[in-house]
Amino acid sequence: AQTVTQSQPEMSVQEAETVTLSCTYDTSESDYYLFWYKQPPSRQMILVIRQEAYKQQNATENRFSVNFQKAAKSFSLKISDSQLGDAAMYFCASLPSTSGTYKYIFGTGTRLKVLA
Amino acid sequence: KAGVTQTPRYLIKTRGQQVTLSCSPISGHRSVSWYQQTPGQGLQFLFEYFSETQRNKGNFPGRFSGRQFSNSRSEMNVSTLELGDSALYLCASSKTGQDRNYGYTFGSGTRLTVV
Repeated sequence: AQTVTQSQPEMSVQEAETVTLSCTYDTSESDYYLFWYKQPPSRQMILVIRQEAYKQQNATENRFSVNFQKAAKSFSLKISDSQLGDAAMYFCASLPSTSGTYKYIFGTGTRLKVLA
Repeated sequence: KAGVTQTPRYLIKTRGQQVTLSCSPISGHRSVSWYQQTPGQGLQFLFEYFSETQRNKGNFPGRFSGRQFSNSRSEMNVSTLELGDSALYLCASSKTGQDRNYGYTFGSGTRLTVV
């Protein structure tokens, strides 16, 4: 069975500082995708960043970057220059690329608080 | 362009009743997936529809069902509601389903409370 684990239920960061959210996963798939989604109080899940497992290069989107360690099955999210608008629940998710598999496996989430 | 629209935003039902939730995907998107989000179980996959056909189903009892119409709008139905069905139900859409690899576009969900 595939699992995604987020071991930090809650994290806090000072505005303008950097924070790293942890995620580990377990999969028997040879190819898969990994995602970080953000869920603000509006409840809509918003895609933050994605990583293709066959690519060694870590994905980056503006202030958001990942540290993808395939052998360790680790996929952490780094948020630089944290802003008040970054406060939200963050979910890590995996998606097997095997044909016929259509579901994301989500972690339990990390609540990020940004302190002014 | 309009995003994924879910209605109603909030719903309160009594145990034993049934409920229907609606999801209108982004124009041009033909794949719609449903997820249940609860504090205890987190986000769990319910089912996915593409071109009016259910392509995959999660591990939920038969009380949970869905359908998709020719305009790609989708509904999910829960019959004989139980207290444990209280959750946020999220709908997500993508153009083909295969492009889920690039991430879904989610709606803001329907908060269902069963009393």
